[in-house]
Amino acid sequence: GQQLNQSPQSMFIQEGEDVSMNCTSSSIFNTWLWYKQDPGEGPVLLIALYKAGELTSNGRLTAQFGITRKDSFLNISASIPSDVGIYFCAGQAGGTSYGKLTFGQGTILTVHP
Amino acid sequence: GAVVSQHPSRVICKSGTSVKIECRSLDFQATTMFWYRQFPKKSLMLMATSNEGSKATYEQGVEKDKFLINHASLTLSTLTVTSAHPEDSSFYICSAQGDGYGYTFGSGTRLTVV
Repeated sequence: GQQLNQSPQSMFIQEGEDVSMNCTSSSIFNTWLWYKQDPGEGPVLLIALYKAGELTSNGRLTAQFGITRKDSFLNISASIPSDVGIYFCAGQAGGTSYGKLTFGQGTILTVHP
Repeated sequence: GAVVSQHPSRVICKSGTSVKIECRSLDFQATTMFWYRQFPKKSLMLMATSNEGSKATYEQGVEKDKFLINHASLTLSTLTVTSAHPEDSSFYICSAQGDGYGYTFGSGTRLTVV
């Protein structure tokens, strides 16, 4: 089955630093999504990417849909304490898998004030 | 924006009993709902996909007789964990998808079986 490799698994940074995480896949995805999950809550959508090469920003967040359609990255600039949480990438393949998301393993982000 | 409500947020039940979890799309019609299971600090594992009015499609390894899914309307899907055992303790999350609405997740249900 499809798998997403997300890295890094965890990050410990100082407030104000920039953060970068990425996901790679062995197969092509038609849609890439980035979510943030706080403890005890469901994931919340941060950015959705629908087109290869697309670069999209949402405030301090920037994400790109890789040109090969097999990878995506998420950058967070000038991190703040409330950025703490688990970040997941997710891909949607289309075709017979339409509607199903495949999730990366998650990146646990800790921000020290 | 799209809102998905999931209840209860926490439930503790005795081993051998059944528990029902509800997932409602509040402001859109969810043609498809997905149920996930998540272990601590792990990723989301898709359990099943349900389309309104149809039988759910379960992922490999998920017992359909233990995890009963009903999607009787365009705004409600339920997951019933039957004859629950301690190993069923987990965080269960639903997500809903509808025309023009992407994947919106509920807030999750923490199930503890004692």
